[in-house]
Amino acid sequence: AQSVSQHNHHVILSEAASLELGCNYSYGGTVNLFWYVQYPGQHLQLLLKYFSGDPLVKGIKGFEAEFIKSKFSFNLRKPSVQWSDTAEYFCAVLFGGATNKLIFGTGTLLAVQP
Amino acid sequence: EPEVTQTPSHQVTQMGQEVILRCVPISNHLYFYWYRQILGQKVEFLVSFYNNEISEKSEIFDDQFSVERPDGSNFTLKIRSTKLEDSAMYFCASSSSKETQYFGPGTRLLVL
Repeated sequence: AQSVSQHNHHVILSEAASLELGCNYSYGGTVNLFWYVQYPGQHLQLLLKYFSGDPLVKGIKGFEAEFIKSKFSFNLRKPSVQWSDTAEYFCAVLFGGATNKLIFGTGTLLAVQP
Repeated sequence: EPEVTQTPSHQVTQMGQEVILRCVPISNHLYFYWYRQILGQKVEFLVSFYNNEISEKSEIFDDQFSVERPDGSNFTLKIRSTKLEDSAMYFCASSSSKETQYFGPGTRLLVL
């Protein structure tokens, strides 16, 4: 079955620390990959996406993600987090074929301490 | 920047009652979706809608659920007879193609 897993459910970091959130998916075919962020009290916002081309994609607010096809992974990174990055982060995958159903991971709650 | 909007932000209802959740997608988008997130669980796909018909639905989207685009701007999700297990955050999303989906702020539904 198609699935998305995020390994870290809760992450606590101090400001200026580096961040890496893991995301793996179960399918070996064509995929479109997304990271969404949900700040407290706000809606899901698109951080970045990968469809094809350069496997290192840059998003908003200094975030980037790397698609590693051989590992079925799409990890999110930021070199130096800020208190304002406190939010829940969701990896989501659009698996190939006729579907337009996004499959989400469980989410990672990031708390950045000032 | 255009956004997806949803009303109401919160809804409390009695078990067995009908609820209608409303969404206004981004104006030039053609694909519309509903997802839900039960507290502590993953965001789950419910249904997608294109060209005035359902294009895909999950096993969750049974006969108690229906969607409609009653006019050129609104997209609604109706739950005919709510159950306790329907309590969740319901997200509407829209997209201009079958790729990037943009989400609304959600409606938190509580069934008592």
